[in-house]
Amino acid sequence: QKEVEQNSGPLSVPEGAIASLNCTYSDRGSQSFFWYRQYSGKSPELIMFIYSNGDKEDGRFTAQLNKASQYVSLLIRDSQPSDSATYLCAAEGGGSTLGRLYFGRGTQLTVWP
Amino acid sequence: DGGITQSPKYLFRKEGQNVTLSCEQNLNHDAMYWYRQDPGQGLRLIYYSQIVNDFQKGDIAEGYSVSREKKESFPLTVTSAQKNPTAFYLCASSRGGDYGYTFGSGTRLTVV
Repeated sequence: QKEVEQNSGPLSVPEGAIASLNCTYSDRGSQSFFWYRQYSGKSPELIMFIYSNGDKEDGRFTAQLNKASQYVSLLIRDSQPSDSATYLCAAEGGGSTLGRLYFGRGTQLTVWP
Repeated sequence: DGGITQSPKYLFRKEGQNVTLSCEQNLNHDAMYWYRQDPGQGLRLIYYSQIVNDFQKGDIAEGYSVSREKKESFPLTVTSAQKNPTAFYLCASSRGGDYGYTFGSGTRLTVV
């Protein structure tokens, strides 16, 4: 069974701080990784994807990938109360499961003013 | 605007009843997926389809059925064999590559 594990949280940070969300995956064949944000009662929305080792930045969000360690992270700089949500990490399956995303259980983030 | 539409938003099922959840997309995506979400459980894959007239079971297919007769549509039927159907159901579609999934707004199913 291909697995994606996330730090369970919940994570609570003050406004303006850096929030760090972590994820590990079991399938060494996985090449692409995604972060989704899900507000309470809503559906997930894609905020970042990464497929190369290293960092990828988009505004206040930075995704980091280390394939040797099978580790993905998401940093949110200058956290805002509007960032309060559950963040889902997903890995695309390799081989015969190419195209299918495997999701972690999510990390709930609260940013307090 | 292109998107993926799920209906209804809320659905109530009586014991022993089959219900069908609708999922329609106009994104011209080949692949479509059904997930179930329970509190603290993350997303669990029920069924997926990568092409019209073909679909595969996911991790929790028992008690569910699907069809894929048109590219745009991927309805999910929750049968009476599904003993604990109360959950948030999410439909998604994908064109593959680095685009991930686009999700519908979800259907919240409750057994009464």
